[in-house]
Amino acid sequence: GIQVEQSPPDLILQEGANSTLRCNFSDSVNNLQWFHQNPWGQLINLFYIPSGTKQNGRLSATTVATERYSLLYISSSQTTDSGVYFCAACNFGNEKLTFGTGTRLTIIP
Amino acid sequence: DTEVTQTPKHLVMGMTNKKSLKCEQHMGHRAMYWYKQKAKKPPELMFVYSYEKLSINESVPSRFSPECPNSSLLNLHLHALQPEDSALYLCASSQLSGGYTGELFFGEGSRLTVL
Repeated sequence: GIQVEQSPPDLILQEGANSTLRCNFSDSVNNLQWFHQNPWGQLINLFYIPSGTKQNGRLSATTVATERYSLLYISSSQTTDSGVYFCAACNFGNEKLTFGTGTRLTIIP
Repeated sequence: DTEVTQTPKHLVMGMTNKKSLKCEQHMGHRAMYWYKQKAKKPPELMFVYSYEKLSINESVPSRFSPECPNSSLLNLHLHALQPEDSALYLCASSQLSGGYTGELFFGEGSRLTVL
């Protein structure tokens, strides 16, 4: 099956800083999603982005499908951005969405 | 309405109990999923139902028994669980179209503790 790797595993930043989270995947994808898991465990959808670039407020994401990676950008970080960010992917004809190991982001006031 | 609802939110059960987790979606999605998540780990797929038929079973022990009564409902029946089965159980749904898996939407999860 598809392999999904995320980096860095942990990131500690001051409030107001910008950050870039990376997701590498081992095969062509028809689904790539970014999630933020809140402290209560809920997975919040950030982006559905198998290719191209999307923006939503302070967050944006880019997937370069031909080079098998995706980036999540967080600008002007706030303490509420803290938590674990997961990238997940699956390839064509496969219903199994495989998660990366996540990036734990801590924003310090 | 992009909501997947799971009940109960918390469940404590003994190793001899029988209980069920329930999941419901009203987005017209034709695929539904159960994932299991242990602390500080990513979610791991357990089962997938496509068009109400079990399409993926990730070698899950038989003490976990999924059921899809209709396209909106997904159950996970639990029997004779072990303490190591304690985890967050996440339900999700997505659209399917011509081999493409659409965006998955997750419920809030059911946190299970087995004593």
